[in-house]
Amino acid sequence: QSALTQPASVSGSPGQSITISCTGTSSDVGGYNYVSWYQHHPGKAPKLMIYEVSNRPSGVSNRFSGSKSGNTASLTISGLQAEDEADYYCSSYTSGSTLVVFGGGTKLTVL
Amino acid sequence: QVQLQESGPGLVKPSETLSLTCTVSGGSISNYYWTWIRQPPGKGLDWIGYVYYSGSTNYNPSLKSRVTISADTSRNQVSLKLTSVTAADTAVYYCARGRGGYYWNFDLWGRGTLVSVSS
Repeated sequence: QSALTQPASVSGSPGQSITISCTGTSSDVGGYNYVSWYQHHPGKAPKLMIYEVSNRPSGVSNRFSGSKSGNTASLTISGLQAEDEADYYCSSYTSGSTLVVFGGGTKLTVL
Repeated sequence: QVQLQESGPGLVKPSETLSLTCTVSGGSISNYYWTWIRQPPGKGLDWIGYVYYSGSTNYNPSLKSRVTISADTSRNQVSLKLTSVTAADTAVYYCARGRGGYYWNFDLWGRGTLVSVSS
């Protein structure tokens, strides 16, 4: 059971937008602006897509955006492309003893 | 560019010690936090713990009694040791670099290495 809750799967057609949610508590997502999102193509190294809720690292497409409301963070991908098909994980700093918690991951399928 | 490569035995017997190394190429381990993360088959990611390049560490309480993470600046490597392993420790193990001197997000990851615990 992951500390942060994500939908197991989402799907969308090329060109559409999708949003993946990540729900935690006031001890993690809701309490700090330290939410990150990672893209993982199986067999490859995970890639940081968003950090500190809404910041994109250099080189990440502006089709990826992040936001937060209360205890729920969201990753939105606009203009879906075939290469966006991957697993996406959220993570957050937590005031709990584990320091960092992750979501269970969301499999994005581009139809 | 900086790359991370995990290495170590792919099969470990129950009750033995799992030992992995993360070799950092193209850059120094200095001034960064280095974290180990694992993913059991079919499950999500679990934070194991981190080491700062200078040697300070912090571990997941659920593993604290069994885990040691260390950094070797001379070899530009980070290591993970997990003692008394069981089947529940079967997972893909990743090393990752903390972004910008922080430990709660990770801007570089290795591809991971699968470790199976079985007799």
